[in-house]
Amino acid sequence: AQRVTQPEKLLSVFKGAPVELKCNYSYSGSPELFWYVQYSRQRLQLLLRHISRESIKGFTADLNKGETSFHLKKPFAQEEDSAMYYCALGNSGNTPLVFGKGTRLSVIA
Amino acid sequence: GAVVSQHPSWVICKSGTSVKIECRSLDFQATTMFWYRQFPKQSLMLMATSNEGSKATYEQGVEKDKFLINHASLTLSTLTVTSAHPEDSSFYICSARRTEDNSPLHFGNGTRLTVT
Repeated sequence: AQRVTQPEKLLSVFKGAPVELKCNYSYSGSPELFWYVQYSRQRLQLLLRHISRESIKGFTADLNKGETSFHLKKPFAQEEDSAMYYCALGNSGNTPLVFGKGTRLSVIA
Repeated sequence: GAVVSQHPSWVICKSGTSVKIECRSLDFQATTMFWYRQFPKQSLMLMATSNEGSKATYEQGVEKDKFLINHASLTLSTLTVTSAHPEDSSFYICSARRTEDNSPLHFGNGTRLTVT
């Protein structure tokens, strides 16, 4: 069965500190992993997908198949990074995404 | 970029009435759209997969007679909450993926339903 685990409900860091939001997944096939972000009162937005290997807003995430992880990282947190972050798992084609429970990141000035 | 429009953004209705929520893909075609439900401070739970021209596929525990889904065209899916009850109050979010390529899911703004 497909499953996404985000172990932290809330993560508070000081501005300028490094951030790591953890995500582990369970999937028997070849997964697609995503990070979505939801700022206050806004829609879910795609932040990263593992196949693109981009850095968006300073965030990066590397798929580690051995550890079945897709942790989201940023070296220096900014206040505007405060939001809900969801890790999601899917595969290609018209299949839905399975979401983790989300981690609320709070960046303290 | 791909845009998904959801309407209305919020709705308040009385118990026993029905509410229709629309989800449109504005600049792309989507043979499949997905309906999620999000309770306060919780994650998104998939309710159903809406398939253009055929019946929706519902997740376990989701009543198909209560949450009617119609996907009449390649750009429109509707979710109707029938005979709404206070426990149906929630945030409903639709999403769609461009049919012709492997683009990621794009989400609507969501609809906050409050049943009094």
